[in-house]
Amino acid sequence: DTGVSQDPRHKITKRGQNVTFRCDPISEHNRLYWYRQTLGQGPEFLTYFQNEAQLEKSRLLSDRFSAERPKGSFSTLEIQRTEQGDSAMYLCASSLFDSNQPQHFGDGTRLSIL
Amino acid sequence: DAKTTQPPSMDCAEGRAANLPCNHSTISGNEYVYWYRQIHSQGPQYIIHGLKNNETNEMASLIITEDRKSSTLILPHATLRDTAVYYCIVRSGNQFYFGTGTSLTVIP
Repeated sequence: DTGVSQDPRHKITKRGQNVTFRCDPISEHNRLYWYRQTLGQGPEFLTYFQNEAQLEKSRLLSDRFSAERPKGSFSTLEIQRTEQGDSAMYLCASSLFDSNQPQHFGDGTRLSIL
Repeated sequence: DAKTTQPPSMDCAEGRAANLPCNHSTISGNEYVYWYRQIHSQGPQYIIHGLKNNETNEMASLIITEDRKSSTLILPHATLRDTAVYYCIVRSGNQFYFGTGTSLTVIP
């Protein structure tokens, strides 16, 4: 399968713990996006990378959240000191450089905070 | 931030065409319209996109009005596997604003 891959698919953790998610984009895609989706809502943009540069962040991305894409390939999203409100599906997408090209999504990581 | 308006839900009989409307009255001249769908527990799946001409691919057709203020996604022969939430999106810079979409139920 050459689509966007996310790991893990599910994560359960206690409040206050740190968690890290990984996203492997489609290999030739140089843009990578992170979204968050809560129950009954559409995905909400968090941040995006062009190659290794993080070019845009949403106001939803609090200082407890950090995203990296160190070599312009895979990306990680870390949440520190998790809170109940962080429970959501975290989706990754990738696209080609042309800004009008569609984004292709992975199946997400579902985070549950106990 | 939402730039599109869709009905919250629709039903369609299996085998019939499903026509999903979307209003995007504030669309700018160079903004594309994208359609995605999402089945429970999966990520959004890209369907089709267009600027001003009608588009067709193996999944669906996209009809955009001449003034570009609205569009319709057409699934020509709906099957039970087409039951999903369908999102109409107008891109704003590098962000997609998904809204809450239309929940389509295909009825046997």
